[in-house]
Amino acid sequence: DVKVTQSSRYLVKRTGEKVFLECVQDMDHENMFWYRQDPGLGLRLIYFSYDVKMKEKGDIPEGYSVSREKKERFSLILESASTNQTSMYLCASSFGGAPHNSPLHFGNGTRLTVT
Amino acid sequence: DQQVKQNSPSLSVQEGRISILNCDYTNSMFDYFLWYKKYPAEGPTFLISISSIKDKNEDGRFTVFLNKSAKHLSLHIVPSQPGDSAVYFCAASGDGNKLVFGAGTILRVKS
Repeated sequence: DVKVTQSSRYLVKRTGEKVFLECVQDMDHENMFWYRQDPGLGLRLIYFSYDVKMKEKGDIPEGYSVSREKKERFSLILESASTNQTSMYLCASSFGGAPHNSPLHFGNGTRLTVT
Repeated sequence: DQQVKQNSPSLSVQEGRISILNCDYTNSMFDYFLWYKKYPAEGPTFLISISSIKDKNEDGRFTVFLNKSAKHLSLHIVPSQPGDSAVYFCAASGDGNKLVFGAGTILRVKS
């Protein structure tokens, strides 16, 4: 079974702090993704990566950056956290090929609160 | 503008009956559709998918129907079980478009 592990279940940070969300997958997947989930809005794609050191913007990249130095690890960075970034963050991975045409395997999410 | 819409925020069904979850999309270039299920405090899990060359795909109790002319897909769960109570997301992609998710429908199966 694919395992996608997000390092924290809950995080509370202050406005202006730099925040790192870490994600590791154990199935040698090429593609990795960061989504945020908000009530009434579903899941929205922040960034994705189809290979090591490669990254592509999703639909809502503003205020975020990502890092993929190793195949199994994909980090989401909030350079200066703001209250509107309070959300549930979900990491996902999938097999190679077209990044958006194969089922995603999700982690359990990180609930981030910015005060 | 939401390209994938799940117009029912919630649905309540009696155990043993059929659950029908609906999803509408606006982008005619979408050609691959998926359903995910999400329990509280867990990430979504893939349930079933369908490509636009088909109009039906079945997997056990779960069947997805696709009506391309109406830009509509539905997920049927028969028979519904209490363990099916979760949030269900539909998603669509195609022609290089990123996967787009609907807002989700909360399904409650009453025993």
